[in-house]
Order: sequence, then C-alpha cells, then structure tokens
Amino acid sequence: TQLLEQSPQFLSIQEGENLTVYCNSSSVFSSLQWYRQEPGEGPVLLVTVVTGGEVKKLKRLTFQFGDARKDSSLHITAAQPGDTGLYLCAGADAGAGSYQLTFGKGTKLSVIP
Amino acid sequence: NAGVTQTPKFRVLKTGQSMTLLCAQDMNHEYMYWYRQDPGMGLRLIHYSVGEGTTAKGEVPDGYNVSRLKKQNFLLGLESAAPSQTSVYFCASRPTGRAYGYTFGSGTRLTVV
Repeated sequence: TQLLEQSPQFLSIQEGENLTVYCNSSSVFSSLQWYRQEPGEGPVLLVTVVTGGEVKKLKRLTFQFGDARKDSSLHITAAQPGDTGLYLCAGADAGAGSYQLTFGKGTKLSVIP
Repeated sequence: NAGVTQTPKFRVLKTGQSMTLLCAQDMNHEYMYWYRQDPGMGLRLIHYSVGEGTTAKGEVPDGYNVSRLKKQNFLLGLESAAPSQTSVYFCASRPTGRAYGYTFGSGTRLTVV
C-alpha cells in the first residue's frame, strides 16, 4: 500500500505570509495532484504534475514534483483569507491500471485577516 | 452545470437500515469512485469502477455494495447500516489518462444512530 505523508497537518498564518506544504512518500508515483477542499464541499483539483522536477505555477501557488517522483511541495506566496481550506495531495499509481489515487490526510490551512 | 451530482446530501439512518447513495456524472467519464472521509483518516477508497458493468473493491469495501449499470451512474449501497459507517461520502469520476484529475461531487453526510 502506497502512503503519502503530508506536513504540517495544521497551519495558521497571517494574511500576507508565505507558506510551504509538503507531501512525501517512499513510493514512486506516475503523477501527483493537489486538491483544495472547502467545508461542506468536495475536493477541487488545483494541478497535476507528471514529470520529475516539474514546477507549475497557478497565480500565487507554486507546485513542484520531486526529481524522483516521490515527493511534492506546494508554496503559497502572500497568503490571503480565500486560500483557507484543506489541501490534499494525491499520487497516481499507473501500474494499478485503474488510475486509483492515494490521498494524503491533508493540511488544514487557516489564513487570518 | 457539468459535473458530479450526489444525492441525497444528508441522511440519518437507524442501525440496521439500508439505503442507496446515487452518483451521476455527465462528463462521459470512464472511471468512477466512492470514497469516505473521516476526521484524521483522510479519504479512503470504498469501491471503484473502470467502466459500465464493472466494479472493484477498494481499501474499505466491507459493508458496502456498488453497481454501475449505466456509464453515467454509480450507486453505493449500505445493506445494514452500522454506526461505524457514519461519515461523509464522496463520489468522483475521471477520464482515462494519468494526467487527468478527479471531479468530485459535493458529498453525502450520513449519520447512523
């Protein structure tokens, strides 16, 4: 069973601060995705990274896939209250054939105005 | 709007009762999934389907059954509800291809008393 460890589990910061969330595994993934979930809603896909070392930017969010495709990070610059939510990373094991995703337990981010 | 629709949104069951959760998607996705989300446990896969007429067990299948008679629908059944099945249930779908992410429904909050 592949496991994804996310850290930190909880993060509370002031508006305008920068932060980084980490997603680590001992397993290699064919791709990795990041989702954001708001209370009472389902997770919403933010980005998919598929190549080792890949960096993608989405406005103030920067996503990086590790060279060995075992880890990933999400960096938020100048956090805003609208960034508040649960951030989930999920890795895809293409070898399973069904494109199941293994989810981390998430990082709960609170951005205080 | 295109997407994944789950019904009902809320339900309270008595121990031993049965019910069916419905998931419908209008994006012509091949793959569909049922997850449960519990505090501290993250998203755990219950059952999934890689196409019409096919189903397979996920990480926590006991006490649940599924059916996918039509490509757009994926039903999750609880035959005899137990308090341990109190959870938030999410359905998701995705097209084939490793770079595609999941589209999630907004969830069903189930309480078994």
